Amino acid sequence: KNEVEQSPQNLTAQEGEFITINCSYSVGISALHWLQQHPGGGIVSLFMLSSGKKKHGRLIATINIQEKHSSLHITASHPRDSAVYICAVLPTSGTYKYIFGTGTRLKVLA
Amino acid sequence: NAGVTQTPKFQVLKTGQSMTLQCAQDMNHNSMYWYRQDPGMGLRLIYYSASEGTTDKGEVPNGYNVSRLNKREFSLRLESAAPSQTSVYFCASSLTSTTYNEQFFGPGTRLTVL
Repeated sequence: KNEVEQSPQNLTAQEGEFITINCSYSVGISALHWLQQHPGGGIVSLFMLSSGKKKHGRLIATINIQEKHSSLHITASHPRDSAVYICAVLPTSGTYKYIFGTGTRLKVLA
Repeated sequence: NAGVTQTPKFQVLKTGQSMTLQCAQDMNHNSMYWYRQDPGMGLRLIYYSASEGTTDKGEVPNGYNVSRLNKREFSLRLESAAPSQTSVYFCASSLTSTTYNEQFFGPGTRLTVL
């Protein structure tokens, strides 16, 4: 079982829909990072959080440390949001190496 | 402020050829990383450099070598490329290698080994 699991693996939505991507992890962490990767593109940082909630534009990220779970929400989705969204955690085990999820591939249809 | 830059963007090699992937950052970060990304798998750490003058193996180091040339630059070398090394390679950097340090990624190098 992977230490970081994302769901769903693939998601297709209509423009304007509210989207939720989930990340569950099994290790103790000091922080969690949400990343975005457009097709054929580089990896862009969206949020890094260790508690609570962060908001940037139409994107909202929440984390529940006790439940070892984080969600990334996209409100009023748009075709330009089509990308792979990657969850990465920084364990508290003394290593500073990220553990990555395999990503959620999102396609937003016009 | 370019962030993390990588060269080349694309490369095709024949089995047995060698090449070096270059990475540079202008954020005065101490730590740098090399990852590979393969379909259906999360990013996997090849090598990292916690600070200038140090390098350590990551999860999948076999077939690769690295050099931390100075604080800005961290290169990845394939001495004898194999088809299994066909992948997208990402370089990243962070201020330090302690916890809660956000990593910033380069645009990637798409490598095909025939």
